[in-house]
Amino acid sequence: NAGVTQTPKFRILKIGQSMTLQCAQDMNHNYMYWYRQDPGMGLKLIYYSVGAGITDKGEVPNGYNVSRSTTEDFPLRLELAAPSQTSVYFCASSYLLGQFFGPGTRLTVL
Amino acid sequence: GQQVMQIPQYQHVQEGEDFTTYCNSSTTLSNIQWYKQRPGGHPVFLIQLVKSGEVKKQKRLTFQFGEAKKNSSLHITATQTTDVGTYFCAGQLGAGGTSYGKLTFGQGTILTVHP
Repeated sequence: NAGVTQTPKFRILKIGQSMTLQCAQDMNHNYMYWYRQDPGMGLKLIYYSVGAGITDKGEVPNGYNVSRSTTEDFPLRLELAAPSQTSVYFCASSYLLGQFFGPGTRLTVL
Repeated sequence: GQQVMQIPQYQHVQEGEDFTTYCNSSTTLSNIQWYKQRPGGHPVFLIQLVKSGEVKKQKRLTFQFGEAKKNSSLHITATQTTDVGTYFCAGQLGAGGTSYGKLTFGQGTILTVHP
């Protein structure tokens, strides 16, 4: 099993550009999550999903959108990138015990 | 909203010394989880505590959940250089079916171990 995979690993965006961060898991987990991690701030929940077709906002959803058309995939869309979205983004999935995290995407907005 | 506070933010120890990080929630938790993140890596699940007053051990790591289910601690005995990283606690409010597994993370404690 590959677990949770994320692409790309790194990305530099210009202000106003858009992009999609990809996340996939092969563990058949229903629950999936997107977090952002800023230095010294822990992880903040952006969006989460409890199954295909069902998503909801987390703590910091502004400037982001998600979709969940399959159990495996949970992409995060950034529209009109801003410098405040410079961060490391982690996708995670869970079933019963603990969350499994992907390797992260380091995004810089200049 | 729910807040989870974790102290200290940083801890520098000499190899062989003990280390403890503390976690406090503003609300009663369903369970608390602990994660470790190595420098440049991603968080890795260590353990989940569910019962009031629960204590669990993993080799040199001891995890405790408070009686009121609002605080927790992680204690490492005789630290090693391999223990370097950031330790996060994460609190879950409702049981899985009601909270959808959502976690509120503490800010983390960055542990540095000097050989």
